[in-house]
Amino acid sequence: DAKTTQPNSMESNEEEPVHLPCNHSTISGTDYIHWYRQLPSQGPEYVIHGLTSNVNNRMASLAIAEDRKSSTLILHRATLRDAAVYYCILRRDSGAGSYQLTFGKGTKLSVIP
Amino acid sequence: GAGVSQSPSNKVTEKGKDVELRCDPISGHTALYWYRQSLGQGLEFLIYFQGNSAPDKSGLPSDRFSAERTGGSVSTLTIQRTQQEDSAVYLCASSWLYTDTQYFGPGTRLTVL
Repeated sequence: DAKTTQPNSMESNEEEPVHLPCNHSTISGTDYIHWYRQLPSQGPEYVIHGLTSNVNNRMASLAIAEDRKSSTLILHRATLRDAAVYYCILRRDSGAGSYQLTFGKGTKLSVIP
Repeated sequence: GAGVSQSPSNKVTEKGKDVELRCDPISGHTALYWYRQSLGQGLEFLIYFQGNSAPDKSGLPSDRFSAERTGGSVSTLTIQRTQQEDSAVYLCASSWLYTDTQYFGPGTRLTVL
């Protein structure tokens, strides 16, 4: 499976933007970039996903590098409720094992009031 | 609507006993997944159901682990002769199709004494 690399932890001040980076240098053409987050004592929650173009939704934005070897999850205005572990995951769109989400250690985001 | 639910939320058992963990997926979701998360670790894929059949059981850590799904809905994960290393949070997720966004339940925290 293609691997992702994320910083272990990051800090942000409340109401400021947060940029969470992810490196995926071995990404293949059929891999989608997914982000999930896990709040304390809860199951993971889908945040956003994309293939090549930047994506926006009500939760966040996803900026994908032109060569697709890295991406950045952007929270436009961090709130205390955004404190969580954020996982960057590569997912094949079909084929054996494409149903699995392969979670790494993720980035633990702390939000400072 | 109702999300994925799991029961019990917490289970404490003695080494050597059998346990059953239950997952109620979102109504209409055909795909169901079990993951395990040990303390401080990422999620480990266990098994995937499409309808009532399990095309991939390769993630089950030993033959003490089994899972079934009946009526294309509720799933039960059974662990026989529990060991201390089985202590973890067991997470269930469901989705419409196997490539879609996965929706996670809150998990069952299993503690084996």
